[in-house]
Amino acid sequence: AQSVSQHNHHVILSEAASLELGCNYSYGGTVNLFWYVQYPGQHLQLLLKYFSGDPLVKGIKGFEAEFIKSKFSFNLRKPSVQWSDTAEYFCAVDTGGFKTIFGAGTRLFVKA
Amino acid sequence: DARVTQTPRHKVTEMGQEVTMRCQPILGHNTVFWYRQTMMQGLELLAYFRNRAPLDDSGMPKDRFSAEMPDATLATLKIQPSEPRDSAVYFCASGLVRGDGDYNEQFFGPGTRLTVL
Repeated sequence: AQSVSQHNHHVILSEAASLELGCNYSYGGTVNLFWYVQYPGQHLQLLLKYFSGDPLVKGIKGFEAEFIKSKFSFNLRKPSVQWSDTAEYFCAVDTGGFKTIFGAGTRLFVKA
Repeated sequence: DARVTQTPRHKVTEMGQEVTMRCQPILGHNTVFWYRQTMMQGLELLAYFRNRAPLDDSGMPKDRFSAEMPDATLATLKIQPSEPRDSAVYFCASGLVRGDGDYNEQFFGPGTRLTVL
């Protein structure tokens, strides 16, 4: 069965530190990939997405993600985090428009 | 500014009572999803619809949960009877699947926070 694995459940960083959140999926075919963010008390919002083309995708708020097909990975990065980036981050994979599989989420806490 | 709306935003009820949650997807979207989010289980897909037809509701406890789309502008999730373990935030999301199977991202509603006492 298809699955999405996020390596870290909790990450604590200081402001200005660099961030990398891991995401791996299990599916051998064509995929659409997403990162969603959920700020405290709010609903999920799209951070960035990959459908095709350049495997390095830039999203909102300085986030980017790189799709590495050979590693079935879609890691999220940000060079310098801010306190306002404190949130839960979800990696998601769509394998054909029928349903999207979400990872378990990574809670990021940024210390001011 | 198109967005998914959900009502009610908060619901407190007693065990055994019926709960109905409503969702209005973004106009023109043809796919609707229901998710449940808890601290323990994270985000779980309960059911989803394409063009108002249920495609998958395997994530839903069938004996007490039911999901419907009476029309293209309304999706409902009903729990009868409710139990304390149903306490969670229930999110509705909508998206557009094009004919080639490809689709854009899901747009989430603000959620319904359900507490069953």
